[in-house]
Amino acid sequence: NAGVTQTPKFQVLKTGQSMTLQCAQDMNHEYMSWYRQDPGMGLRLIHYSVGAGITDQGEVPNGYNVSRSTTEDFPLRLLSAAPSQTSVYFCASSYSVTGSYEQYFGPGTRLTVT
Amino acid sequence: GENVEQHPSTLSVQEGDSAVIKCTYSDSASNYFPWYKQELGKRPQLIIDIRSNVGEKKDQRIAVTLNKTAKHFSLHITETQPEDSAVYFCAASMKTSYDKVIFGPGTSLSVIP
Repeated sequence: NAGVTQTPKFQVLKTGQSMTLQCAQDMNHEYMSWYRQDPGMGLRLIHYSVGAGITDQGEVPNGYNVSRSTTEDFPLRLLSAAPSQTSVYFCASSYSVTGSYEQYFGPGTRLTVT
Repeated sequence: GENVEQHPSTLSVQEGDSAVIKCTYSDSASNYFPWYKQELGKRPQLIIDIRSNVGEKKDQRIAVTLNKTAKHFSLHITETQPEDSAVYFCAASMKTSYDKVIFGPGTSLSVIP
């Protein structure tokens, strides 16, 4: 299993550009989430999904869209990039087997908006 | 919604000493509390977790305690080693139908040889 994969690893955008961060998992996990990580602020939840076709907002959803058309993929779209969206983005997946709710994180995407 | 606070933000200990990181949460409905370790440049990885029906859980040198009445939980690392140096995150969630995990801001632990 590849686990959770994310592409690209690095990206530089200009203010106002749009892009999609890709996330895929091959573990048949029900749950997937997107986080952003900024220095001193930990991991903040952007959006999450409990299954194909179901998504919900996290702590900091503004400026981001998600969709979940398949169990495996959970892309994050930046509609109009702003410098405040410069961050490291992590995708994570987990499943609800009794006794284990471990989240498996992808390697992250480092995004810079100029 | 849930809010998780974590203290201290940085912690330095001598190798062999113990380290304690404390977290508080706001939503009394939260019932699952994981701890993640993130080494420099790497992704976070689960090191231990506890559910609300348990007061304490141990795994070798790592233990977590939970006080539901006070809404706080702590990570204890004994006999620290240089490889324990990392950022540690606590988190809280309400594991019913939804997987909404809220993380604390993190503690940077340095173990000095």
